[in-house]
Amino acid sequence: EPEVTQTPSHQVTQMGQEVILRCVPISNHLYFYWYRQILGQKVEFLVSFYNNEISEKSEIFDDQFSVERPDGSNFTLKIRSTKLEDSAMYFCASSDRGETYEQYFGPGTRLTVT
Amino acid sequence: AQKVTQAQTEISVVEKEDVTLDCVYETRDTTYYLFWYKQPPSGELVFLIRRNSFDEQNEISGRYSWNFQKSTSSFNFTITASQVVDSAVYFCALSEVMIMVVRPTNKLIFGTGTLLAVQP
Repeated sequence: EPEVTQTPSHQVTQMGQEVILRCVPISNHLYFYWYRQILGQKVEFLVSFYNNEISEKSEIFDDQFSVERPDGSNFTLKIRSTKLEDSAMYFCASSDRGETYEQYFGPGTRLTVT
Repeated sequence: AQKVTQAQTEISVVEKEDVTLDCVYETRDTTYYLFWYKQPPSGELVFLIRRNSFDEQNEISGRYSWNFQKSTSSFNFTITASQVVDSAVYFCALSEVMIMVVRPTNKLIFGTGTLLAVQP
């Protein structure tokens, strides 16, 4: 069964450093998403991406965040200058164009900013 | 604005008990989807069910059942004869259906989750 994959599973970085979180969505999917879950809290929407453009972003997704689909298979989230409060689990998700609107989630990347 | 409320923060039951997880949602849209996801201790999000706003039929899948009531804006989840492996955080989520827009999003709005602990 096709699945969304994410790398790395755990990333530790120092405050102020740039990080890139990588995701490989399901191959025939057209809609891509990043969500964030701070430890013990709810899952929060960050950004959605369709047709090589951001279709919606939340208030959390400020100028330090960016997304890219560099090669038609990967979907990346870049945090330009990490802060302590960026420590969280980051989930990538994708969905197809059908009526299902079901989003398939990756296993997540745990980002720890020290 | 869309909102999902899971008033139960934690529930603890003994194995074989039935348990119901509550979910109440708010939306101005007439067309939307509701979801339940399970998050076991390992951290991944496991899709359990999707229900669209036009389908109020209750659904049963093994020990799991869902009760969707549009009149009360609720989408409750019942586990019958709970097992230790059911121990997890359960999230209810809402997605509006974007029709006739240039760049659809279909983002999920999650509730705060209910931690279910099933004791042996």
